[in-house]
Amino acid sequence: AQSVTQPDIHITVSEGASLELRCNYSYGATPYLFWYVQSPGQGLQLLLKYFSGDTLVQGIKGFEAEFKRSQSSFNLRKPSVHWSDAAEYFCAVGNNAGNMLTFGGGTRLMVKP
Amino acid sequence: GAGVSQSPSNKVTEKGKDVELRCDPISGHTALYWYRQSLGQGLEFLIYFQGNSAPDKSGLPSDRFSAERTGGSVSTLTIQRTQQEDSAVYLCASSLLADSYEQYFGPGTRLTVT
Repeated sequence: AQSVTQPDIHITVSEGASLELRCNYSYGATPYLFWYVQSPGQGLQLLLKYFSGDTLVQGIKGFEAEFKRSQSSFNLRKPSVHWSDAAEYFCAVGNNAGNMLTFGGGTRLMVKP
Repeated sequence: GAGVSQSPSNKVTEKGKDVELRCDPISGHTALYWYRQSLGQGLEFLIYFQGNSAPDKSGLPSDRFSAERTGGSVSTLTIQRTQQEDSAVYLCASSLLADSYEQYFGPGTRLTVT
């Protein structure tokens, strides 16, 4: 069965600092990987996705993520965090049938002024 | 264009009552998904509809949960005889058939069972 682990439940960074959110997955085949962001009271918004090809993928809002098969990881990065990035971030893996996402537990990001 | 909408945004109900949650997917999206987000369990897949095919109900936690999708568009998630552990945010998402992985989520319905 597929699974996703986000080791950090909470992360606090200063505005302008760089950010890396960790994600590890377990899946038998080539994974389809996603990062979503959820702002308070809002639904989930897709930040970026990896299906195949270049292992470094660019997303919206200046985010990027790197797929590392050897480490079963898909970490999310941003070079300079803005206060508006404070939210909860979810990593997810899609199954082969394309009909289900399995989510990690989420990482709540707080941004200090 | 309009995104996925859900109603109500908040629902408080007494234990034992039935509730219905509604989802309006993005127009033209043939796939529809329900997820549940709760403190103890995180985000869990509940059910998936694709066109006129039989739904994938593999994530429904008990037979008190059911869902239907009328006319390939609007979906209703029904929870019968609600229990306190049903308290959660219920999220609906939709996607195009050709790109099922790019799911667009609604704002959710927060259900509180007292």
